[in-house]
Amino acid sequence: GAGVSQSPRYKVTKRGQDVALRCDPISGHVSLYWYRQALGQGPEFLTYFNYEAQQDKSGLPNDRFSAERPEGSISTLTIQRTEQRDSAMYRCASSLDAQYEQYFGPGTRLTVT
Amino acid sequence: ELKVEQNPLFLSMQEGKNYTIYCNYSTTSDRLYWYRQDPGKSLESLFVLLSNGAVKQEGRLMASLDTKARLSTLHITAAVHDLSATYFCAGPYYDKVIFGPGTSLSVIP
Repeated sequence: GAGVSQSPRYKVTKRGQDVALRCDPISGHVSLYWYRQALGQGPEFLTYFNYEAQQDKSGLPNDRFSAERPEGSISTLTIQRTEQRDSAMYRCASSLDAQYEQYFGPGTRLTVT
Repeated sequence: ELKVEQNPLFLSMQEGKNYTIYCNYSTTSDRLYWYRQDPGKSLESLFVLLSNGAVKQEGRLMASLDTKARLSTLHITAAVHDLSATYFCAGPYYDKVIFGPGTSLSVIP
C-alpha cells in the first residue's frame, strides 16, 4: 500500500510568510509524529498525535509553530512568520501505535530566504 | 529527559570486515529502535527491540538490547558496500521518540 506522503516536497518562502506543511500517514496508523532534521543530524522530535489528540508538543521550538490532525488522519504543521532559522527538512512519520516502528515520509525541505 | 548517544559517529570499514555500533541511552527504556538513512533519502526502520535480551537479525545486521546496561548494539558482519548509510538508534521517552546523532558508515572495497 501507499506509504507516508508529504507535501510540498520543497518549499521556498520569504521571511515573515506563513507556511503549512502537510502529512498524509499510512491508513489506519494511530500515531503520527513530526520531526525536524538538520543536515548531518538525527531527527529532532517536534510533536506527537494519537488519533486526533496532540499528546505532546513539547518539541515545538516556539509559539510560531503549531500542528493539528483534526480527523485523526492528515496532519498539518504550520509555521507562522517564518524566520531563516526555520530552514530545515521537516519529516513526518506514522506508526500503528506508539510502540511500533515508525514509517517516515520523504520530508519537506523548507528554505526561508 | 532521555539522551541517546552513539559510538562511533563516523566509521569507515573495509568490505568483508565485522564491526559494532554502540547506542547508549540515559534513562530506563524497554524499547529501542534502529533506523537506516541513505544520503538524501528518508529513514527506514531496521529493528524494533522490545525487551531486555532481545536480539534480531536481518542479513548482515544483528541488533541486541541490554536494558540493564542501557545499551544496544548493531553488529555488522562481513560488510558490503550496500551497507553504506547512516544508522540511527532511537528510544521512547513518554510520548516522544528521541533519536541519537547517527553513525555514518562507509564501506570501502
